[in-house]
Amino acid sequence: GEDVEQSLFLSVREGDSSVINCTYTDSSSTYLYWYKQEPGAGLQLLTYIFSNMDMKQDQRLTVLLNKKDKHLSLRIADTQTGDSAIYFCAESISGYNKLIFGAGTRLAVHP
Amino acid sequence: EAQVTQNPRYLITVTGKKLTVTCSQNMNHEYMSWYRQDPGLGLRQIYYSMNVEVTDKGDVPEGYKVSRKEKRNFPLILESPSPNQTSLYFCASSCDPGVTQETQYFGPGTRLLVL
Repeated sequence: GEDVEQSLFLSVREGDSSVINCTYTDSSSTYLYWYKQEPGAGLQLLTYIFSNMDMKQDQRLTVLLNKKDKHLSLRIADTQTGDSAIYFCAESISGYNKLIFGAGTRLAVHP
Repeated sequence: EAQVTQNPRYLITVTGKKLTVTCSQNMNHEYMSWYRQDPGLGLRQIYYSMNVEVTDKGDVPEGYKVSRKEKRNFPLILESPSPNQTSLYFCASSCDPGVTQETQYFGPGTRLLVL
């Protein structure tokens, strides 16, 4: 079955690194995504990784994929107050016409 | 500017009063979709459309209808809203539903309260 799980809340100090974790169950995932939702706003695609990759880096963002354990993580280096938001992990599965989302992790950045 | 627009952004209504939430995209995308977002549940797909006059149910279609008469528009219709349809609704569009890295573009959301 399809299931994506994330922890619901993460609190970090400004300047530290944040690591948001996600697990998924369907091994036929093609792409895995990280979306950011700021208060009152829609979803913004942050980054994605193809399922045959194990790492992708994009400026302050690093995505790690452990396909064996079906574990995806998003690391944000030098976390800033502007990074405070809800982060959604999502997967697309070949043959399915939708994205499957986790419940979202609320990241709170404090001074 | 490429975008997905939704109207209204906020709506308070009463049980049983039919309503329509509009969605429009200017990117000539074939694929459009509606999701609802509820606390602790993430986003769940309601309906999707692969092209004009082609629609299909997502995971939570009960109580909703959609239509796709034109490529750019994909309205969500609640014929008889109930309080359990109080939620935040997102429309999305893309060239491809997700087999490739083609991303889905999301609208700003419509917050609905059904009393």
